[in-house]
Amino acid sequence: DTGVSQNPRHKITKRGQNVTFRCDPISEHNRLYWYRQTLGQGPEFLTYFQNEAQLEKSRLLSDRFSAERPKGSFSTLEIQRTEQGDSAMYLCASSSDRLENEKLFFGSGTQLSVL
Amino acid sequence: AQKVTQAQTEISVVEKEDVTLDCVYETRDTTYYLFWYKQPPSGELVFLIRRNSFDEQNEISGRYSWNFQKSTSSFNFTITASQVVDSAVYFCALTGPNTGGFKTIFGAGTRLFVKA
Repeated sequence: DTGVSQNPRHKITKRGQNVTFRCDPISEHNRLYWYRQTLGQGPEFLTYFQNEAQLEKSRLLSDRFSAERPKGSFSTLEIQRTEQGDSAMYLCASSSDRLENEKLFFGSGTQLSVL
Repeated sequence: AQKVTQAQTEISVVEKEDVTLDCVYETRDTTYYLFWYKQPPSGELVFLIRRNSFDEQNEISGRYSWNFQKSTSSFNFTITASQVVDSAVYFCALTGPNTGGFKTIFGAGTRLFVKA
């Protein structure tokens, strides 16, 4: 069990550029989540995958955001035309569905800074 | 509405002191789950405990203990004899049918500083 892996750890970009983050969940976990965390706040739900199907998207996720999970393995989160307000820590988590409301396993996150 | 409130933004204690982190929640669900997670400086949230709404027994795990009281919608976390390694941000969280069961609602967190 290697845990949830996220890349890159840090990303600095200029406003208007596109960025893509990757998340590799724990291999046997079929549920994958993206959360966003800003300074002094708790994580906020962005989106959720059950295997390769994206089942829920938060209203926080504007049209500039897109997430994929091809083949139900790793996931990518892309932000197009970044804005300064997108600066945050983007957290990925995974869980199994063996139990109802199972605990989440988090990665270390990708810290995005938009200049 | 589903909501988790952690009124304490920051707490500072001296090593070996006991400290209690407060958590108050709101939910329309009759069945729901409460969690505590720890976020050390490395950034990775680590699961500490999960409690379902039908289990009001308090739990103790080493220096950690949790007090769940449905009557006051609280799920407080106590660290006994705190240590410097306990310094972190602690999040209380909630899931239930009205969150789809998959969306965890987090509080804003309490940052704990334990000084040597």
